[in-house]
Amino acid sequence: GNSVTQMEGPVTLSEEAFLTINCTYTATGYPSLFWYVQYPGEGLQLLLKATKADDKGSNKGFEATYRKETTSFHLEKGSVQVSDSAVYFCARRDEGAQKLVFGQGTRLTINP
Amino acid sequence: DTAVSQTPKYLVTQMGNDKSIKCEQNLGHDTMYWYKQDSKKFLKIMFSYNNKELIINETVPNRFSPKSPDKAHLNLHINSLELGDSAVYFCASSQDIQWAYEQYFGPGTRLTVT
Repeated sequence: GNSVTQMEGPVTLSEEAFLTINCTYTATGYPSLFWYVQYPGEGLQLLLKATKADDKGSNKGFEATYRKETTSFHLEKGSVQVSDSAVYFCARRDEGAQKLVFGQGTRLTINP
Repeated sequence: DTAVSQTPKYLVTQMGNDKSIKCEQNLGHDTMYWYKQDSKKFLKIMFSYNNKELIINETVPNRFSPKSPDKAHLNLHINSLELGDSAVYFCASSQDIQWAYEQYFGPGTRLTVT
């Protein structure tokens, strides 16, 4: 089926470290790709998106590039902060589809 | 102002009971959703309504019945609760079904069935 796979968590980093959270998707059709973030005790929020190959989504210092050749949409940030501690979800929406399909989530903890 | 609100925030109940979770959005959106997030944080869509009409109904037991009295509300009623229903339930909304990627989530309702 059409799925999204994220790297297993939890991920623990020190403040100002470089972050990568891997996300790959099954190569079916031409999905749009998204990263959502869930801060402790809250619902999910859209972080960034990319709707076609080679698009780069960016927000709050986070970036992800839609790479069709590797079917990936890895999330990166150059220097993380304690406030970035959250669960991050990769998601896809297939053309014409009416729903998002989420990955399993990756918990990120940033230590001061 | 809260965009998507859910009540209650916490719900503890016994097996076999019937309970409801309410959701309201004040964004003027046409489409609303219910998701279930299990203990491993895996998030899965259950239902979606567009203009009060059911458009997505995933393989959810028929003990779960959504009800949309108007566009701003999507309530979730659960009959004969089971231990496996324990989870966090999130309501969400989007402008319309074409904007399904940009969903606004409520804070969640943590349901514990004992």
